[in-house]
Amino acid sequence: DIQLTQSPSFLSASVGDRVTITCRASQGISSYLAWYQQKPGKAPKLLIYAASTLQSGVPSRFSGSGSGTEFTLTINSLQPEDFATYCCQQLNTYPYTFGQGTKLEIK
Amino acid sequence: EVQLVESGGGLVQPGGSLRLSCSASGFTFSSYNMHWVRQAPGKGLESVSAISDSGGSTYYADSVKGRFTISRDNSKNTLYLQMSSLRAEDTAVYYCVRRNYDSGNHRYFDYWGQGTLVTVSS
Repeated sequence: DIQLTQSPSFLSASVGDRVTITCRASQGISSYLAWYQQKPGKAPKLLIYAASTLQSGVPSRFSGSGSGTEFTLTINSLQPEDFATYCCQQLNTYPYTFGQGTKLEIK
Repeated sequence: EVQLVESGGGLVQPGGSLRLSCSASGFTFSSYNMHWVRQAPGKGLESVSAISDSGGSTYYADSVKGRFTISRDNSKNTLYLQMSSLRAEDTAVYYCVRRNYDSGNHRYFDYWGQGTLVTVSS
């Protein structure tokens, strides 16, 4: 199975900050990577797919980059509603594994 | 509007069985591969099972292989997950998920149900 390792696992930031979350794959996955946002008690929400394509309706302050084994999710100018857990997923080969998550908290 | 509504979760004893259902609406159900993804309390997401649009191909995580069966009824727009020989470690919220893809065949999970909680405990 392809392992995805996110860093950091916890992130403390303030409204207006720019934050970056990294996702590293144990083997190359081209650009078959998606990012999700999850709030407590809710289902994950798709933010980005194909490593850098913004899902319809997602604010442009979210962006993704990377290819192969290293990927990043960047959130510019954090808003109060952005404090949540973020998770990457590889969809290159079964099983479609997920990273362990990064919890973004308000400083 | 795309909607996925799971049902069938609940409390079951170890070794017991349960069948989850996911009712889909707002899209052509028979055109999409569907997945079940679970999340144990306080833990991350785990892909459990998948089924092709026609139902002809299925996938299972090693952790559930031989115990869970995924199926679909395209005439009823419904996805199922039959779970048997349940263990404490199967306790989780189970999500029904639609898999989509773009022109470059990049796959992604674009719609998720609200989830149904399965608790395996005596």
